[in-house]
Amino acid sequence: NAGVTQTPKFQVLKTGQSMTLQCAQDMNHEYMSWYRQDPGMGLRLIHYSVGAGITDQGEVPNGYNVSRSTTEDFPLRLLSAAPSQTSVYFCASSLQGPPYGSPLHFGNGTRLTVT
Amino acid sequence: KQEVTQIPAALSVPEGENLVLNCSFTDSAIYNLQWFRQDPGKGLTSLLLIQSSQREQTSGRLNASLDKSSGRSTLYIAASQPGDSATYLCAVRHDTGKLIFGQGTTLQVKP
Repeated sequence: NAGVTQTPKFQVLKTGQSMTLQCAQDMNHEYMSWYRQDPGMGLRLIHYSVGAGITDQGEVPNGYNVSRSTTEDFPLRLLSAAPSQTSVYFCASSLQGPPYGSPLHFGNGTRLTVT
Repeated sequence: KQEVTQIPAALSVPEGENLVLNCSFTDSAIYNLQWFRQDPGKGLTSLLLIQSSQREQTSGRLNASLDKSSGRSTLYIAASQPGDSATYLCAVRHDTGKLIFGQGTTLQVKP
């Protein structure tokens, strides 16, 4: 059972480049989300999805796009990378979304550096 | 606005000690509270989830309590081991649905 899988593990981008961070889960979870983790800022929600075809913004959505065409996959797109997007990105999923509050399962993260 | 605070930010104890990690939140309108463990360079691992109607949850040497009225949760670790060294985060599921994280407590257990 793979759980939540994120790729790549590391990525370096130049300012203005675009890329997609991949997230896949094999637990048939309805709820998926993306967080970024920065020193002194904790974990902040970027976007989330309560099911295929449904997405919504979190606390810090600017500069990022998401889509949810299948239950398993929830990619995060950086449209035009900026140094402020240097961070560690985590994908997380749970069986049900709010307000049911089932436990959240995290991937191992993608460490992104934008120069 | 819901705020989640974890004190202390860092803690160092000798092996074998029982210890308590604290988590406080400002808004008692929560659905549940979850404790996570994060090892360096890794993602978060769920330890315990306490629903708002529950007072505590136990898993092995871990016990988490929840007092909604006072806005506090504690994570009790019995007989600490070096392998318990990690950062521990609490997260509160607000009734808006958002999951708000604390900054974490970094624990070091010395052999």
